[in-house]
Amino acid sequence: DGGITQSPKYLFRKEGQNVTLSCEQNLNHDAMYWYRQDPGQGLRLIYYSQIVNDFQKGDIAEGYSVSREKKESFPLTVTSAQKNPTAFYLCASSTRDRVAADTQYFGPGTRLTVL
Amino acid sequence: AQTVTQSQPEMSVQEAETVTLSCTYDTSESDYYLFWYKQPPSRQMILVIRQEAYKQQNATENRFSVNFQKAAKSFSLKISDSQLGDAAMYFCAYIFTSGTYKYIFGTGTRLKVLA
Repeated sequence: DGGITQSPKYLFRKEGQNVTLSCEQNLNHDAMYWYRQDPGQGLRLIYYSQIVNDFQKGDIAEGYSVSREKKESFPLTVTSAQKNPTAFYLCASSTRDRVAADTQYFGPGTRLTVL
Repeated sequence: AQTVTQSQPEMSVQEAETVTLSCTYDTSESDYYLFWYKQPPSRQMILVIRQEAYKQQNATENRFSVNFQKAAKSFSLKISDSQLGDAAMYFCAYIFTSGTYKYIFGTGTRLKVLA
């Protein structure tokens, strides 16, 4: 089955540590995205990538970094510079096919907690 | 700037009744897509319905339909015969077909279904 996987489902981090959240898709989508969701809030865009080896900052990129070395993978690193990283993180991907109407598909999310 | 506004933070509906969730957006683009996503307690984002701006006909998916008013920049979601499983956060989203492929999300409406 095609889809998006995120791991781990739950992640605990000590203050001052960097952690990496995994996102993999087998939908052959060109574009991939990372969002942050805080309790009761909407989605805020962290980074997005429209093609391999290229990515752009979203609205809240400070304290985060990404890479896009492979089409199917878009890992997100939460660095120690991110002051309040406890949140729910969603990865998504989309095609740029007009027939598919650019629908964005989401992974199940990773819940990050800073201890 | 493109924005999406969901003015109802929370709505309630009686089981088997009909409810309408509001969404307005601001854009100067003429060709774009609109979406409604559902986020149940599992937090998995699920596509409910999508609408291409160039299509005048309102999209329908089983009990879910939209009222797309392009001139008014309005995109409301109607849920008929509401079921307990419809209880979730609902997000309206927009993307225009040229440019950066950045999705714009509203802040969400929490729907409660009363038995």
